[in-house]
Amino acid sequence: GAVVSQHPSRVICKSGTSVKIECRSLDFQATTMFWYRQFPKQSLMLMATSNEGSKATYEQGVEKDKFLINHASLTLSTLTVTSAHPEDSSFYICSARGRSFTDTQYFGPGTRLTVL
Amino acid sequence: AQSVTQLGSHVSVSEGALVLLRCNYSSSVPPYLFWYVQYPNQGLQLLLKYTSAATLVKGINGFEAEFKKSETSFHLTKPSAHMSDAAEYFCAVSAGTNFGNEKLTFGTGTRLTIIP
Repeated sequence: GAVVSQHPSRVICKSGTSVKIECRSLDFQATTMFWYRQFPKQSLMLMATSNEGSKATYEQGVEKDKFLINHASLTLSTLTVTSAHPEDSSFYICSARGRSFTDTQYFGPGTRLTVL
Repeated sequence: AQSVTQLGSHVSVSEGALVLLRCNYSSSVPPYLFWYVQYPNQGLQLLLKYTSAATLVKGINGFEAEFKKSETSFHLTKPSAHMSDAAEYFCAVSAGTNFGNEKLTFGTGTRLTIIP
């Protein structure tokens, strides 16, 4: 199956700093990428949808100025958590899908963010 | 709008016994339905998906699920549980209508424990 990678797998940062998380599709062109957030022992909540070359579409309640998403190429999307605070600590998971709307979403392994 | 309900946040079965994880969905349009498995501190792995073809869908690791429109259900089963099946399982629905804008709505997950 298709492979999606995320980097870093774990990051610890100080409150007030910004953190960038990369999501890459390694063997297919991902026209659409999704960013999810997962709190401990809870389900995944969609944060935003990004299409290559377009601005991301954010879900209700997600601050677009705090969670900056860039999808500049067909294999890379980035999520930047700006001015991170302890409440932003979470497991962030990306997924990627190819050109057809019937294509399966392939998920990355996730990034554990801890803000001190 | 679409939603997913997973009955039972925790399910325990003995090794070799039948696994049954329940999922009911709600969707205003014909849905795509998915089951994903998540191992600790990892991303999601697709087990199987229903995309309006055969109602009985076979997936990886011996799992299968049956789409029942009349019951709005998509329960996941495996005839004989293995210790390696212990994980968190998520049911998800996708019912978008726009190319490149489909998103998954996840259930709250079911933690499967296998008793030796």
